[in-house]
Amino acid sequence: AQSVTQLDSQVPVFEEAPVELRCNYSSSVSVYLFWYVQYPNQGLQLLLKYLSGSTLVESINGFEAEFNKSQTSFHLRKPSVHISDTAEYFCAVSERGSYIPTFGRGTSLIVHP
Amino acid sequence: GAGVSQSPSNKVTEKGKDVELRCDPISGHTALYWYRQSLGQGLEFLIYFQGNSAPDKSGLPSDRFSAERTGGSVSTLTIQRTQQEDSAVYLCASSFSVGQGYDEQFFGPGTRLTVL
Repeated sequence: AQSVTQLDSQVPVFEEAPVELRCNYSSSVSVYLFWYVQYPNQGLQLLLKYLSGSTLVESINGFEAEFNKSQTSFHLRKPSVHISDTAEYFCAVSERGSYIPTFGRGTSLIVHP
Repeated sequence: GAGVSQSPSNKVTEKGKDVELRCDPISGHTALYWYRQSLGQGLEFLIYFQGNSAPDKSGLPSDRFSAERTGGSVSTLTIQRTQQEDSAVYLCASSFSVGQGYDEQFFGPGTRLTVL
């Protein structure tokens, strides 16, 4: 069975600093990988996803994540964060052929001015 | 078009009462999911509907929980004899999915349930 571990429950950073939110998963089969973001008082929305091909995927607002098969990781990074990036970030994994993703517990990114 | 909507946005109930939570998915989305989000926890899968197929109820925590989806669209999650541990945010999501696992899920804003 698959599982997802987000190692940090909370990550405080200052504005314009770089950030990395870590995600590791375990699965015995090929997977699809997702990062969802939940802004305060809003529903989750897809930030980016890896399906196949290039292991580096990017979002429209400057985030990127790299699929590392050997380390079973899909860490999320941004070189310079904004106050508006303050949100809860969820990593999710779907095994190929499955219809139910597994979500991590979430990482709260808190950007300070 | 409209996104996924859920109602009510907040529900406060007394222990032992029944509650119904409603989800309106995006039109044309065949897959519908219910999740529970508790403080400090991730999203806990509850139930999955795909078209006219029998739902996957494997995530329902007890027989007090049930859900239905009428006409392949609106879904209702019912919790009978609510307990304090049922307090959480209940999220609904839909996707244009045929069960391949790679489709983006579109989430509603959630219903915050508080059981006193």
